[in-house]
Amino acid sequence: AQSVTQPDIHITVSEGASLELRCNYSYGATPYLFWYVQSPGQGLQLLLKYFSGDTLVQGIKGFEAEFKRSQSSFNLRKPSVHWSDAAEYFCAVGVSRGGAQKLVFGQGTRLTINP
Amino acid sequence: NAGVTQTPKFQVLKTGQSMTLQCAQDMNHNSMYWYRQDPGMGLRLIYYSASEGTTDKGEVPNGYNVSRLNKREFSLRLESAAPSQTSVYFCASSSHGSPSTDTQYFGPGTRLTVL
Repeated sequence: AQSVTQPDIHITVSEGASLELRCNYSYGATPYLFWYVQSPGQGLQLLLKYFSGDTLVQGIKGFEAEFKRSQSSFNLRKPSVHWSDAAEYFCAVGVSRGGAQKLVFGQGTRLTINP
Repeated sequence: NAGVTQTPKFQVLKTGQSMTLQCAQDMNHNSMYWYRQDPGMGLRLIYYSASEGTTDKGEVPNGYNVSRLNKREFSLRLESAAPSQTSVYFCASSSHGSPSTDTQYFGPGTRLTVL
């Protein structure tokens, strides 16, 4: 069965520092991969997604992610974080079933930004 | 254009009580989903509806029922609430159901406490 692991429950970085959030997946076929962000008390917003082609994917808010099939990873990066990036980040793998797109989420990584 | 709306935002129930969580989308999407979010577990799919008139179980369907009332609305019912159903519930919708061309849009969530 498909699964997603985010090894880091909580990460703290300083404002202006670079960021990398880790995501590993388990899926038998070519995966569709997503990163979502959740601000406190809010719903989820899509940052970026990978489904084929270029393994480096650009998203909103200056984020990017790199798909590495050999490592079963889809890590999220940002060169310089801003205080407004403090949120919880979820990696997910998409599975098509019966015309719907089922998302399997990782446990989430909470990002804290130090001023 | 409100996107995905959910009512209520907050609810407190006693064990054994019933309630229905409402979800509506105004994006003319075909597919709709219900997830629950628990600390340290990410989001887990409860039920989904690939199109109007169809519903299917997700990862954690026990204790829940759903109704796809029409293309816009998808409700989640707890017939006899249990403390284990204390969670934040998110509704989502997507247009085509294929991850390669599609995105799930999430509502703001309903925070449910069962005493």
